[in-house]
Amino acid sequence: AQKITQTQPGMFVQEKEAVTLDCTYDTSDQSYGLFWYKQPSSGEMIFLIYQGSYDEQNATEGRYSLNFQKARKSANLVISASQLGDSAMYFCAMREGLQTGNQFYFGTGTSLTVIP
Amino acid sequence: GAVVSQHPSWVICKSGTSVKIECRSLDFQATTMFWYRQFPKQSLMLMATSNEGSKATYEQGVEKDKFLINHASLTLSTLTVTSAHPEDSSFYICSARVPGTSRRETQYFGPGTRLLVL
Repeated sequence: AQKITQTQPGMFVQEKEAVTLDCTYDTSDQSYGLFWYKQPSSGEMIFLIYQGSYDEQNATEGRYSLNFQKARKSANLVISASQLGDSAMYFCAMREGLQTGNQFYFGTGTSLTVIP
Repeated sequence: GAVVSQHPSWVICKSGTSVKIECRSLDFQATTMFWYRQFPKQSLMLMATSNEGSKATYEQGVEKDKFLINHASLTLSTLTVTSAHPEDSSFYICSARVPGTSRRETQYFGPGTRLLVL
């Protein structure tokens, strides 16, 4: 089974509007971390936001927030006030356990296009 | 944040040649580095986990004799694609584990290397 599922291969959003990128995960671990990365056309992976499985509050980082629904095993990324520079691929990832050296599992990504 | 560099950023080579890609952690010591491969419009697939001073751990389906990994120091891991063929053309990304107790951004990614084998 897929560890991380992103069901939206492509999304469009109007500039200045908010957009939600979906991510569901599958793990039997109680301890895990969820991550979102942005990958522009240059290829670099840019860390956006992190949510720990024990964190009770949804993570926020500037215009990025993570809608964490543990019972549903979902970790959707919300980008508010979209900007043209937000156009990129977005990957959801999970690290099982608390060991920082554990591998990441990545989803297939969502291509976001911001329309002026 | 921590900085990870990769060199070269682009490489074009003839089929049958070997290509070495370097991954360096610039301002921290990385006991563990990861090598990923990404085909166009696809996700990152973990190839191997590289631990300083020991043999790399390869994921299932990755040929260890084809993709040689050397992690000889705490700041450098190299991936050598031996006898490269066109099907090895891909985007290769390394990441380095940041030591410490933080559970947040515990891996920093390099900018990637695009390999094109003719």
